[in-house]
Amino acid sequence: DAMVIQNPRYQVTQFGKPVTLSCSQTLNHNVMYWYQQKSSQAPKLLFHYYDKDFNNEADTPDNFQSRRPNTSFCFLDIRSPGLGDAAMYLCATSRDQGRDQHFGDGTRLSIL
Amino acid sequence: AQTVTQSQPEMSVQEAETVTLSCTYDTSESDYYLFWYKQPPSRQMILVIRQEAYKQQNATENRFSVNFQKAAKSFSLKISDSQLGDAAMYFCAYRSAAYTGTASKLTFGTGTRLQVTL
Repeated sequence: DAMVIQNPRYQVTQFGKPVTLSCSQTLNHNVMYWYQQKSSQAPKLLFHYYDKDFNNEADTPDNFQSRRPNTSFCFLDIRSPGLGDAAMYLCATSRDQGRDQHFGDGTRLSIL
Repeated sequence: AQTVTQSQPEMSVQEAETVTLSCTYDTSESDYYLFWYKQPPSRQMILVIRQEAYKQQNATENRFSVNFQKAAKSFSLKISDSQLGDAAMYFCAYRSAAYTGTASKLTFGTGTRLQVTL
């Protein structure tokens, strides 16, 4: 089945140690999104790619970066994770602008 | 900026009964979409139902229906004949219909956790 796959499901890293979260899709969608969902809070968009065009939300910290080497893959890099970055990170895709978004299972990130 | 408010952190319903989850939103736009997403524990978020703001008719998907009151900026979800599998976190979300050359983001509420009891 076509889907959005996030790896790993659970990630533990140390304070300040760079970490990369992965998202892949078999839907061949143009748009890929990264959301951060902290405990008991609403998911919040960090940034998205429309094809190769990167669109950063104004309040996304510089500590968060993203790469999209091809249509299928998108990565979220956290350069120096702090305790406040512990959260569920959700990847989503949509066929085009303004289309429904399809979500992966998420990666739960813990910071030691 | 748009905001979405879900004032019920938790709800409970007995199996086979009906439950209504509330959502209000604030926007200055006239054209937009509203969604209800379901997020089961440790599983992916899936779309339950979508409502286009320009449509007066309330959307329905099997046991799920919405009550969309545009003037009141209210968008509630009714689940009929509740099943154990309906237990999940439910998020209300807003998306602009404006095309700005880039995809529009979803603005979520904080969610309502629904428990289904026997």
